[in-house]
Amino acid sequence: DIQLTQSPSSLSASVGDRVTITCRASQSISNYVNWYQQKPGKVPKLLIYTASNLQSGVPSTFSGSGSGTQFTLTITSLQPEDSATYYCQQSYNTPYSFGQGTKLEI
Amino acid sequence: EVQLVESGGGLVQPGGSLRLSCEASGFTFSPYWMHWVRQVPGKGLMWVSRINSDASSTTYADSVRGRFTISRDNAKNTLYLQMSSLTADDTAVYYCARDASLWSGYYDYWGQGILVTVSS
Repeated sequence: DIQLTQSPSSLSASVGDRVTITCRASQSISNYVNWYQQKPGKVPKLLIYTASNLQSGVPSTFSGSGSGTQFTLTITSLQPEDSATYYCQQSYNTPYSFGQGTKLEI
Repeated sequence: EVQLVESGGGLVQPGGSLRLSCEASGFTFSPYWMHWVRQVPGKGLMWVSRINSDASSTTYADSVRGRFTISRDNAKNTLYLQMSSLTADDTAVYYCARDASLWSGYYDYWGQGILVTVSS
């Protein structure tokens, strides 16, 4: 099974900052990584699919990159509403797995 | 508007069974692969199972294989998860989720989630 490790587990940033979250896979998974945002008490929301594609309706302040085993989610110009937990997920093969999450506090 | 509405959750004793339903609306249900994902409150996400468009192919996480059965009724626009031999480790919020693009493996719409609590 493919393991995904996110870092950091949590971080604190200020409005207007730029942050990067990293997701490392236990084996090469090409570009089959997706990113979700989950706010407390809410349903996960798809942000980025296949590493770098922005889901419709998601602000362009979110971007993704990477291939192989290392992937990043970058959020620029942080806003208070970006406070959430962010998860990477691999869709390379089943069992599809998620990273443990990164809690972002603004 | 795409909607996925889960039902059937609740409190069940260890060893018991429960069937979750997920009623879809606002889109043509039949072509889409569908998934179940669960989340222990306060913890991370875990993929549980998937089913293809015509229910001819199903896949499960190791931890539920042999105990859970995913199915669908395209005529009723409904996805199911039959759960049996439940243990405390199955306690979680269960989400149904739509595969964004046939068998893409990522999810563009999620239900609101339904809590399953396994406890005596």
